[in-house]
Amino acid sequence: KNQVEQSPQSLIILEGKNCTLQCNYTVSPFSNLRWYKQDTGRGPVSLTIMTFSENTKSNGRYTATLDADTKQSSLHITASQLSDSASYICVVEAGGATNKLIFGTGTLLAVQP
Amino acid sequence: DAGVIQSPRHEVTEMGQEVTLRCKPISGHNSLFWYRQTMMRGLELLIYFNNNVPIDDSGMPEDRFSAKMPNASFSTLKIQPSEPRDSAVYFCASRARTGLRGEQYFGPGTRLTVT
Repeated sequence: KNQVEQSPQSLIILEGKNCTLQCNYTVSPFSNLRWYKQDTGRGPVSLTIMTFSENTKSNGRYTATLDADTKQSSLHITASQLSDSASYICVVEAGGATNKLIFGTGTLLAVQP
Repeated sequence: DAGVIQSPRHEVTEMGQEVTLRCKPISGHNSLFWYRQTMMRGLELLIYFNNNVPIDDSGMPEDRFSAKMPNASFSTLKIQPSEPRDSAVYFCASRARTGLRGEQYFGPGTRLTVT
């Protein structure tokens, strides 16, 4: 069964600190892996997209990694800001005819001053 | 571009009533997706269209749900009759397919409460 699991479910950190969010997936065939940020009351917004051959992708203070062998990804946030408080969702796009997106349930990050 | 537009933003209705959610995709995008988000299950794909044609509706919960896309700039998701367990945030997203990395752009969502 195609699944995406994220950890931790929630996280509280102090402003300025770094953090790493984890994503494990069992999706086959694999097309790409995406990280989305969802602010409260808003729709998800894409942060990074990585295909099989890419093992790291950065977007400002966000750096995503992908290990296609172990089927794991991480999202590292550097020097966190209050505006980083949001839900971070790992999404894997399955290959094949339908290109279906399989969503994780997200990690809720709270950055405190 | 205004992005994906959804209406209404909030809907409160009584059990048994018909609910219609609306979506206007980004101009030029040829794929449209309807999602439902709850605390328990996260984001779930309900149905998606390519060039106005429904491709995969396996996520539609039951016959009470129906979706249409009469043209490239408009889609509706209808629930009839609505039930309290339908309470959720419903998102519409659109995509312009370019190679393997077609990005999906989400609308702001419609928060549905069925009492």
